[in-house]
Amino acid sequence: GQSLEQPSEVTAVEGAIVQINCTYQTSGFYGLSWYQQHDGGAPTFLSYNALDGLEETGRFSSFLSRSDSYGYLLLQELQMKDSASYFCAVRDRSNSGYALNFGKGTSLLVTP
Amino acid sequence: DTGVSQNPRHKITKRGQNVTFRCDPISEHNRLYWYRQTLGQGPEFLTYFQNEAQLEKSRLLSDRFSAERPKGSFSTLEIQRTEQGDSAMYLCASSLPGTDTQYFGPGTRLTVL
Repeated sequence: GQSLEQPSEVTAVEGAIVQINCTYQTSGFYGLSWYQQHDGGAPTFLSYNALDGLEETGRFSSFLSRSDSYGYLLLQELQMKDSASYFCAVRDRSNSGYALNFGKGTSLLVTP
Repeated sequence: DTGVSQNPRHKITKRGQNVTFRCDPISEHNRLYWYRQTLGQGPEFLTYFQNEAQLEKSRLLSDRFSAERPKGSFSTLEIQRTEQGDSAMYLCASSLPGTDTQYFGPGTRLTVL
């Protein structure tokens, strides 16, 4: 089977940098995605890593190490609107290879 | 087209009743997914369509659940003989072939009394 581990809660101050880690165990790995979900909202795609290294998109960056089965999401210059849940998700061979297996999510609270 | 749409947004039903939800994906997306999400958890995969073909069903999908995508466009998810444990947010997502980005709809929140 597969499992993903990420911290349940993180608190950070507006303007700061926060890193949300994700470790995974899968049977055949294709890639790691990150999604943001505000309360009552739909998950929104943030980033995808299939290869080792860092992907940067504006204030958000995502990193993957396939050998360590580990990735992280880095949020810079935090804003109050970044308060949300963040999910890592893997595509792997446990299913069709297209569906996503999500972690339980990390609730990020940004304080003034 | 502004995104994935789902109807209804909320559904309250009594235990034992049947319910049906609809998902309209982004028009050019041939892949469609159904997920279920409960409070404090990540979305859980239920089933996946490529065009009209249902290619994958999760072990979570009991016999009371059925999904269709008859013309490869919109999809329906039916739950028969609902149980209180079926109370959850049911999310639909769609994607283009060859991409890894799934676009989620706003979900249908089901409450079974």
